This record gives sequence, structure tokens and C-alpha cells, in this order.
Amino acid sequence: GAGVSQSPSNKVTEKGKDVELRCDPISGHTALYWYRQSLGQGLEFLIYFQGNSAPDKSGLPSDRFSAERTGGSVSTLTIQRTQQEDSAVYLCASSSPGLGVRDTQYFGPGTRLTVL
Amino acid sequence: AQKITQTQPGMFVQEKEAVTLDCTYDTSDPSYGLFWYKQPSSGEMIFLIYQGSYDQQNATEGRYSLNFQKARKSANLVISASQLGDSAMYFCAMREAAGGYQKVTFGTGTKLQVIP
Repeated sequence: GAGVSQSPSNKVTEKGKDVELRCDPISGHTALYWYRQSLGQGLEFLIYFQGNSAPDKSGLPSDRFSAERTGGSVSTLTIQRTQQEDSAVYLCASSSPGLGVRDTQYFGPGTRLTVL
Repeated sequence: AQKITQTQPGMFVQEKEAVTLDCTYDTSDPSYGLFWYKQPSSGEMIFLIYQGSYDQQNATEGRYSLNFQKARKSANLVISASQLGDSAMYFCAMREAAGGYQKVTFGTGTKLQVIP
């Protein structure tokens, strides 16, 4: 079946502009995660959605970052008034909870964001 | 304290040789899961192998095996018969039962280069 898809694959924007990044999870996966990966670094957790529960936004670095998930499927990560330090690869993952600690995340190809 | 520690920023291995990538973790939770992911230069995170804290045997998936030493809190990835396509970043990750399973902590990664 289809994996996690993300769009766009690359986004170049000017400082101060708003950007929207999209994630389409694996069909049937109720959990969705956003991560940020700066050049040569590990993954930084941003936000987590699970079903109809309130999202865990504890990883969002500032109020310029927001995310929503419509209909329990597609998610959009929005960064307002982008800054150069927002330049990174934004990775989305989905999983099918119910397996507890065994729950495995499957990742999309990422969106490479460059803020000039 | 770091929850996941990968002490080898870079490793080299000769093609067809075996290589061990180190991972130590820190948790007081008796129930947890450990994951290894591969990230080639293309950027996508590829799930490789899983080990549960209560699993009696070390996990194996093809050429990948996990050397799980619970008392030492280590979960090293062993790649046998290295291939050129194994050149990539490798990340160790942990999901803990406490807090509702949603948080997965990633290490900083090890860059593996396979030499012909």
C-alpha cells in the first residue's frame, strides 16, 4: 500500500513569509507525528495527533508554529513569519497505535525548507 | 540526561564485513520499545528493527540484528555482510510506556560509510 507522503518535497521561501507543509499518512493510521531535523542533527519532536484527542503540542518551538489535522487524516504544519533558523527538513510519520511500545512509526520523505 | 546516546558520530566498515553501531538508553520505565532507523542521503527514515523490553530473544531482521543487553541498557545494531547501500545515517530510538506512548526519543545518529 501507499506510504506516508509529504508535499512539497522542497520549499524555498523568504524570511517573514508563511509556509504550509502537508502530510498524508498511511491509510488507517490514526497517529501522526511531525519532527524537525536540522542539518546533520537528530530528530526534534514537534507535535503529535492521535485520533480525536487533543494534540500534544509540547514540542512546538514557538507560537509561529501550528498544525492541524483534518478528518483524522491529512495534516498541515504551518510556520508563520519564517525565520532563517526554521530552515530544516520537516518529517512526518504515522503509526497505528494499539501496540503500545511496539507501535512503529513510518516516515514520509520529508520537506526540505530553506528560508532565505 | 540524554535518553538515547549514540557515541559514534561516524563509522567506516569494509564491504562484506560486519559492523556494530552502539546505542545506550536511559529509562526507569520497565516497559519500553527500542527501534533502529536508517536514513540514506535521500532523507527518508526507514524502519529496520524493533526490540521490546520484555522480549526474551534478540531481534533479527535479515542482515540486521539487535544485541540487546538489558542490564547494561544497551541496544546495539549489528549489520552483517555490509553492502555499499548500507552507507547512511542510523538512528536509535526509544518509546516508553509512561506518558501514553506518544513520545519517541531519537539519538543523534551514527553515519556509516561502507568502503569497497
